[in-house]
Amino acid sequence: DTEVTQTPKHLVMGMTNKKSLKCEQHMGHRAMYWYKQKAKKPPELMFVYSYEKLSINESVPSRFSPECPNSSLLNLHLHALQPEDSALYLCASSQVGTGGIDTQYFGPGTRLTVL
Amino acid sequence: DAKTTQPTSMDCAEGRAANLPCNHSTISGNEYVYWYRQIHSQGPQYIIHGLKNNETNEMASLIITEDRKSSTLILPHATLRDTAVYYCIVRVGAGGTSYGKLTFGQGTILTVHP
Repeated sequence: DTEVTQTPKHLVMGMTNKKSLKCEQHMGHRAMYWYKQKAKKPPELMFVYSYEKLSINESVPSRFSPECPNSSLLNLHLHALQPEDSALYLCASSQVGTGGIDTQYFGPGTRLTVL
Repeated sequence: DAKTTQPTSMDCAEGRAANLPCNHSTISGNEYVYWYRQIHSQGPQYIIHGLKNNETNEMASLIITEDRKSSTLILPHATLRDTAVYYCIVRVGAGGTSYGKLTFGQGTILTVHP
């Protein structure tokens, strides 16, 4: 099973709202990722968690706050977003390899619209 | 990670083989070639990866040239469901300094026609 689930599928929020995106995997992967994809553009990495610790932050604005409460869950907390933050937010997970391959498996994404 | 160059778009007739090229002339010895695809409005789907040998799985074959400067993804019998954006990504394996990063280029839009 290579399934990564994301909820909700769609989210509409105002600029003053606080919302959260959720990602879950049960493949025993210890690395989890958030990507952002604008329309007609490729996905761009935002954050990487390895063993529940933040290992990469690609200079993402603080209005995006990731959280990894356990090895199966990854959240992305959203606050005071701007309309330009509207995008498809993708979660992925992988093994944490040691000299090997860490193939990433993606969820279906959450389509976020900020009004 | 090495930069890749792919054609912007390609067409293929249903039932025929789709051959998607990727140029990665600056690839380093410890960098792998990965292929993902993304069907409209879905998450990227892993297809295949390789280091220097040709690889085959149930979805596709990956042919890497001997000098590793280019590769070709082959879908042996394309179907309408294979219409997607195909991304060729070159990256270091786990433990490399850019570990964890998948850097997507613009990809190739493959359209399979009836």
